[in-house]
Amino acid sequence: DAGVIQSPRHEVTEMGQEVTLRCKPISGHNSLFWYRQTMMRGLELLIYFNNNVPIDDSGMPEDRFSAKMPNASFSTLKIQPSEPRDSAVYFCASSTTENTEAFFGQGTRLTVV
Amino acid sequence: DAKTTQPPSMDCAEGRAANLPCNHSTISGNEYVYWYRQIHSQGPQYIIHGLKNNETNEMASLIITEDRKSSTLILPHATLRDTAVYYCIVRVGRGSQGNLIFGKGTKLSVKP
Repeated sequence: DAGVIQSPRHEVTEMGQEVTLRCKPISGHNSLFWYRQTMMRGLELLIYFNNNVPIDDSGMPEDRFSAKMPNASFSTLKIQPSEPRDSAVYFCASSTTENTEAFFGQGTRLTVV
Repeated sequence: DAKTTQPPSMDCAEGRAANLPCNHSTISGNEYVYWYRQIHSQGPQYIIHGLKNNETNEMASLIITEDRKSSTLILPHATLRDTAVYYCIVRVGRGSQGNLIFGKGTKLSVKP
């Protein structure tokens, strides 16, 4: 298995633009997590899904952020409109229900200018 | 999920054992202790987890005190590649998908 795949690896966008980050979890995993990491705030959990259903989105910073999981093999994190303070590395992770070890992707480095 | 307390940084000589402590005094009976590490610019990597018994795998050993209020991750022979931030996390384990909340972790520097 190729592991958790995130795209793009790097994204540079202008303030006000819409940004969509993508994640393909490991096949057979039914839990998916989105994280944001900055120097100031560390690794923050934004939202997690179980069986494609959002279970806890209390970490989503504001209405500009939204996440979807239309099927078991794909999830998106969208920021609209983007702001410079959204600049961070965004990680996606997945795990099974039985094995709670979470596997992380390589992350997407987002820069909003 | 219970909170954890870790020292912000530690040094270790290459080839020596690295012992990373973690306090989790408010841990609940159904919460496991997990350890992850993050090497610079990479996603976090799972190391080991346990409930109350000591655990060992190819990467490390986990020692949990009898009262479960603290634990120690042991890297038996640290190498330069073990330089990373190590996170101790407590969460509800097998059969339930609780949040996986990371604290600030311990930055381990392995020196030649």
